[in-house]
Amino acid sequence: GAGVSQSPRYKVAKRGQDVALRCDPISGHVSLFWYQQALGQGPEFLTYFQNEAQLDKSGLPSDRFFAERPEGSVSTLKIQRTQQEDSAVYLCASSPWQASSYNEQFFGPGTRLTVL
Amino acid sequence: GDSVTQMEGPVTLSEEAFLTINCTYTATGYPSLFWYVQYPGEGLQLLLKATKADDKGSNKGFEATYRKETTSFHLEKGSVQVSDSAVYFCALSDQGSNYKLTFGKGTLLTVNP
Repeated sequence: GAGVSQSPRYKVAKRGQDVALRCDPISGHVSLFWYQQALGQGPEFLTYFQNEAQLDKSGLPSDRFFAERPEGSVSTLKIQRTQQEDSAVYLCASSPWQASSYNEQFFGPGTRLTVL
Repeated sequence: GDSVTQMEGPVTLSEEAFLTINCTYTATGYPSLFWYVQYPGEGLQLLLKATKADDKGSNKGFEATYRKETTSFHLEKGSVQVSDSAVYFCALSDQGSNYKLTFGKGTLLTVNP
């Protein structure tokens, strides 16, 4: 079956531009997570949705970062006025049930954002 | 807060060699522990997990045992193959942190024929 998909796979932005990154989770999955992975580092948590509710946004690095999941399926991560330090791979993961330490998270291939 | 420390790579082995990648953790609660693998050009995949002390996770010949007394979850494989070449991430998930995954920095493994 279809896994988690993300688009675009690659995005180049000029500093100061706004970008929108899309995540299509596995159909029916309740939980959705966004992570940021800098070069040579492990992924770091950004935000978590349970259905359409954003239950945790403690990892968003600044108020330039905004995420939504209005209908409880597709999610968009928006970055306003991009800066060079935003360059990273942005990973989306989904899970069938509400978040639990027992549940596997299924990851998408990521969007590589490069800010020039 | 929660943190994961794993041995730095890169690790280069010959085919059929024994593999160990060390992982230790710090957590405020009682976490579940995971190993994820990222093959070249692919997304992160769960390799194995353990949810309580002394549990052993295993998959594809890889094993890791949840050791609460040493706060460790070392990854082992008795005989690696070229196809095991990938980046390996140790991670934990904790109720106190809303079940987000906290990852180590990753270890690049290259297996030569």
